[in-house]
Amino acid sequence: DADVTQTPRNRITKTGKRIMLECSQTKGHDRMYWYRQDPGLGLRLIYYSFDVKDINKGEISDGYSVSRQAQAKFSLSLESAIPNQTALYFCATSDQTEPNQPQHFGDGTRLSIL
Amino acid sequence: GQSLEQPSEVTAVEGAIVQINCTYQTSGFYGLSWYQQHDGGAPTFLSYNALDGLEETGRFSSFLSRSDSYGYLLLQELQMKDSASYFCAVRSTDSWGKLQFGAGTQVVVTP
Repeated sequence: DADVTQTPRNRITKTGKRIMLECSQTKGHDRMYWYRQDPGLGLRLIYYSFDVKDINKGEISDGYSVSRQAQAKFSLSLESAIPNQTALYFCATSDQTEPNQPQHFGDGTRLSIL
Repeated sequence: GQSLEQPSEVTAVEGAIVQINCTYQTSGFYGLSWYQQHDGGAPTFLSYNALDGLEETGRFSSFLSRSDSYGYLLLQELQMKDSASYFCAVRSTDSWGKLQFGAGTQVVVTP
């Protein structure tokens, strides 16, 4: 089983709909992240959380919200989806005690908004 | 703010050596990471440099020069499976666990 699991893996929806992307991890890491990836733009940070009571905006948080329901769960919501939010979304985790603090990524959610 | 620059694409033949350069601008630089991503898949961690010099991990090596705000990833003995995108990412002292990613370099390995 994957250490970082994202659901759904693919989603097609319509403009104006509310969408939730979910991320769960079995690594026991305190830190969790949501990224968006667009072709040619690399990974851009949407929100991050360093523990259950900590939520921080990343560089592109407008139009998104998050919830850290537990240490293992971090969900991303699009309150009213718009077509330019069509992208590949990744969740990641890290542990500040791990050497070099690598981030561990889920397999991604491919989101299309029509 | 932070910015990173890396080439968009590099093509090489099997068995060759490829060097992917990354230059960065950031306040309070802490370290430079490299990640590999196969087509649409999950990015995976390759290496991290916090100090100047070369770090070697098998066929891949990563180099950092803090004074030049420059690093590179060296891929040796290229194999077809190395065809992927490679991202450099900066950690700064004001962001701790956060990473700022470059746009990525697509490496195409040909027979």
